Amino acid sequence: KNQVEQSPQSLIILEGKNCTLQCNYTVSPFSNLRWYKQDTGRGPVSLTIMTFSENTKSNGRYTATLDADTKQSSLHITASQLSDSASYICVVSARMEYGNKLVFGAGTILRVKS
Amino acid sequence: DAGVIQSPRHEVTEMGQEVTLRCKPISGHNSLFWYRQTMMRGLELLIYFNNNVPIDDSGMPEDRFSAKMPNASFSTLKIQPSEPRDSAVYFCASSFAVTNYGYTFGSGTRLTVV
Repeated sequence: KNQVEQSPQSLIILEGKNCTLQCNYTVSPFSNLRWYKQDTGRGPVSLTIMTFSENTKSNGRYTATLDADTKQSSLHITASQLSDSASYICVVSARMEYGNKLVFGAGTILRVKS
Repeated sequence: DAGVIQSPRHEVTEMGQEVTLRCKPISGHNSLFWYRQTMMRGLELLIYFNNNVPIDDSGMPEDRFSAKMPNASFSTLKIQPSEPRDSAVYFCASSFAVTNYGYTFGSGTRLTVV
């Protein structure tokens, strides 16, 4: 069964600190893995997208890693800011007959406090 | 480009009434997706269109839900009759088909059925 599991469920950190969010998946056949940021009351916004051959990708203070062998990904946030408070969703794309199907994790709720 | 445009942003309706949610995808995208998001279940795919044709509607909860895409620039999600358990945020997303490159979410419609 295609599944995406994220941990922790929620996290509180102090402004300026770093944090790492985890994503484990059992999606097959794998096409790509994405991390989204969803602010309260808004739609998810893409942070990174990685294919099978990529094992790291950065977007500003966000760095995503992918280990396709262990089927794990992480999202590292450096020097956190208050505006990083949001839900972070890991999404794995499965290659289907009609195109790619996205499998969503439940998300990690991050709160950055001053 | 203005991105994926959804309307209305908020909808409050009485149980039993018909509700219609609207979506305008990004110009040039040929795949369109309707999602429902709740605290309990996260993001759930309801239905997916490719070139205006419904490809996968297995996520549509029941016959009270229907979706149409009469042309490449417009889609509707209708609930008739609505029930309190339909209360959720409904997102529309669009992308290029097959690869899902450019996958972009709208800002969502928050539906409350009282």
